[in-house]
Amino acid sequence: DADVTQTPRNRITKTGKRIMLECSQTKGHDRMYWYRQDPGLGLRLIYYSFDVKDINKGEISDGYSVSRQAQAKFSLSLESAIPNQTALYFCATSAAWDTGELFFGEGSRLTVL
Amino acid sequence: TQLLEQSPQFLSIQEGENLTVYCNSSSVFSSLQWYRQEPGEGPVLLVTVVTGGEVKKLKRLTFQFGDARKDSSLHITAAQPGDTGLYLCAAVTGNQFYFGTGTSLTVIP
Repeated sequence: DADVTQTPRNRITKTGKRIMLECSQTKGHDRMYWYRQDPGLGLRLIYYSFDVKDINKGEISDGYSVSRQAQAKFSLSLESAIPNQTALYFCATSAAWDTGELFFGEGSRLTVL
Repeated sequence: TQLLEQSPQFLSIQEGENLTVYCNSSSVFSSLQWYRQEPGEGPVLLVTVVTGGEVKKLKRLTFQFGDARKDSSLHITAAQPGDTGLYLCAAVTGNQFYFGTGTSLTVIP
């Protein structure tokens, strides 16, 4: 089983719908991140959390919200999806004692029609 | 505004050729990482460079961190089809990771 698991892996939805992407990890890491990947733009940070009580906005947080339900769970919500939120979304974790490596899930491909 | 610019954006070469990918910024970073991403998967860390001028080798891959810690390069010798993927540089500053625009490499058998 993957250390960082994302669900769903693929989702097609319509404009205006609420969508939740979920992430769970078994690495025991405190730090969790949500990134968005678009061709030619690399990975851009949406939100990050350094522990259960800590939530921080990244560079492109508008239109998104997050919830850190437990150390192992970090979900990303789109309250009212729009077509330019069509992208590949990645959850990642890192250890609090060593920011040397990000561990990524396999990604969630979201299409908003 | 992209903090890290990678070049080239796309690269298609024949098996056995050499190539270099560049990652540039106007900012100084505490360290810089290179990740490789294969289709349908998340990025996986290849290397972290920390010291200005540092060179690290991973089999046929050579990574260099610029003296001023603002840029880095990845050189692949005798590319193999298994090297195909998206290569991403990432700058580590404070508690954050900032990713480059990516280089998509295709190695043709």
